[in-house]
Amino acid sequence: QKEVEQDPGPLSVPEGAIVSLNCTYSNSAFQYFMWYRQYSRKGPELLMYTYSSGNKEDGRFTAQVDKSSKYISLFIRDSQPSDSATYLCAMRLAGTASKLTFGTGTRLQVML
Amino acid sequence: GAVVSQHPSRVICKSGTSVKIECRSLDFQATTMFWYRQFPKQSLMLMATSNEGSKATYEQGVEKDKFLINHASLTLSTLTVTSAHPEDSSFYICSAPPRQAYGYTFGSGTRLTVV
Repeated sequence: QKEVEQDPGPLSVPEGAIVSLNCTYSNSAFQYFMWYRQYSRKGPELLMYTYSSGNKEDGRFTAQVDKSSKYISLFIRDSQPSDSATYLCAMRLAGTASKLTFGTGTRLQVML
Repeated sequence: GAVVSQHPSRVICKSGTSVKIECRSLDFQATTMFWYRQFPKQSLMLMATSNEGSKATYEQGVEKDKFLINHASLTLSTLTVTSAHPEDSSFYICSAPPRQAYGYTFGSGTRLTVV
């Protein structure tokens, strides 16, 4: 079993839809949780970062963490064609510069 | 925000030659730099972790002599692919943690093609 499981998709939605991306993990020691967006042939871009259970909102993006269920989600409201990309969840242990453990990534396509 | 500048973005080299990839932290000191490799439609695979002034730590299965990492300063880490072969063709990305409490920043990636 992988430490982090993520539905690879691809996920195709119409413009304006609400998108839900999810990851589950098995290591309860993970303390910090991130979502990255990666466009084709580019480096990942940090979208959201959180370290506690609950919701964190930034514009059209909401990150949700449920440590008791070992489950994290990213919601995208009013999705746009420019949101079409691969979304990677990542998490790490506490401590300075601990390495990231990634999900496999979900490919999202937002259609006009 | 924290920026990691990675160069070159794209390189084509002949089999048997060496290629150097540079990552610079522009507005913060990167004590640690992570180096990843990514195959098409796959997630990132950690190759090694470099720490300023010390030897890099390589992940299992990564050849130390083929992928030389140098982290001589707090703002520069380099990955040299030595005696490159077509199977080394891939997308290489670096990443550094600007601060303990923040998500890590990634470079823009280097697409290496060995012909």
